[in-house]
Amino acid sequence: DAGVIQSPRHEVTEMGQEVTLRCKPISGHDYLFWYRQTMMRGLELLIYFNNNVPIDDSGMPEDRFSAKMPNASFSTLKIQPSEPRDSAVYFCASTLGFVGELFFGEGSRLTVL
Amino acid sequence: AQTVTQSQPEMSVQEAETVTLSCTYDTSENNYYLFWYKQPPSRQMILVIRQEAYKQQNATENRFSVNFQKAAKSFSLKISDSQLGDTAMYFCAFIGAGSYQLTFGKGTKLSVIP
Repeated sequence: DAGVIQSPRHEVTEMGQEVTLRCKPISGHDYLFWYRQTMMRGLELLIYFNNNVPIDDSGMPEDRFSAKMPNASFSTLKIQPSEPRDSAVYFCASTLGFVGELFFGEGSRLTVL
Repeated sequence: AQTVTQSQPEMSVQEAETVTLSCTYDTSENNYYLFWYKQPPSRQMILVIRQEAYKQQNATENRFSVNFQKAAKSFSLKISDSQLGDTAMYFCAFIGAGSYQLTFGKGTKLSVIP
């Protein structure tokens, strides 16, 4: 299997622009997680899905953030409008059943100028 | 709420030597799982080792082993025969049984020196 695939790997944008991050989980996995990593706050869980259904989005910082999972093989995390404080590495991870053992993608590094 | 503390922001070790990374956690739960994840410069986080709280025996995966002290709520990672490829950030993580949220520590940056 190719593993969890994220795109883009790097994104540089200007404040106010819309940003869409994409994730393809490992085939057959039923849980998908979006994390954000910053130096100050470490790894933070933003939202997770089970069987394509959002279960807990309490980590989503603001209404500017939204996430969707239209099918088992694709998820998006959207920020609109983006702000400089959104600059971070965003990780997607998936797993089957047991949620402690996560398979992470390589992350999307977002820089908002 | 659970917390995970890694008190060593950075560490270094000579190649082929042994190094121990510390982790403590706070929880009121009795059933839970602990993990060490590795994040190399490539950024992708990889599971290194896992420990179930109900198991007394410490987990081992090749050169990686843990010292799990449940009463002290301590979960250290020992890396034997350190290799250059071990250079990475190491994150300790906790999850309660039946929970869906991993709690990560802030990480320890390990450098293996040739």
